[in-house]
Amino acid sequence: AQRVTQPEKLLSVFKGAPVELKCNYSYSGSPELFWYVQYSRQRLQLLLRHISRESIKGFTADLNKGETSFHLKKPFAQEEDSAMYYCALIEAGANNLFFGTGTRLTVIP
Amino acid sequence: DAGVTQSPTHLIKTRGQQVTLRCSPKSGHDTVSWYQQALGQGPQFIFQYYEEEERQRGNFPDRFSGHQFPNYSSELNVNALLLGDSALYLCASSFLTSGGARSYEQYFGPGTRLTVT
Repeated sequence: AQRVTQPEKLLSVFKGAPVELKCNYSYSGSPELFWYVQYSRQRLQLLLRHISRESIKGFTADLNKGETSFHLKKPFAQEEDSAMYYCALIEAGANNLFFGTGTRLTVIP
Repeated sequence: DAGVTQSPTHLIKTRGQQVTLRCSPKSGHDTVSWYQQALGQGPQFIFQYYEEEERQRGNFPDRFSGHQFPNYSSELNVNALLLGDSALYLCASSFLTSGGARSYEQYFGPGTRLTVT
């Protein structure tokens, strides 16, 4: 069963415009949710984790248990935000990540 | 610290052959996880090694096996290669905190691109 769904494979926004990358999950317990990012020619790295509730590079993500969503948002997109973004989940008691299929974000100058 | 390193970078094998991929974790990390990333897909968990034992396993056949050495480095072995095994294989490392909890962040290597012809 697909635990993490990212409905958009590609997303393009203009510089300075708001951006939202969607993520929905399917899990009956209390998951840990993450956003990982892969910039061009770099390795996959953690962007943020829902429990920390922090903002990284201007990005935030709120866990909505009612809608089982963990959308990634930024009010003003920058060119350097262009990258591949993966939403990921860890089930309670486990340590392995379940990834979505990813969304490629392109910020148009 | 070079972070997580993987070798080789690229590999081409023929159907039916066997392959071994290698991973060295980030300094201070004791746990290694392996993921398979097919083209256009997100990484899929294969298995995780801690204290030289397989601790968790994803939905992969027994053709996929692994090993962890006393220095925490790890190998992924795939037997009887199929065309469908062509993918990017990622290694990720993490560590056990002093309180016994697993660190949440996994550090990924650059991957090994395996092509099966």
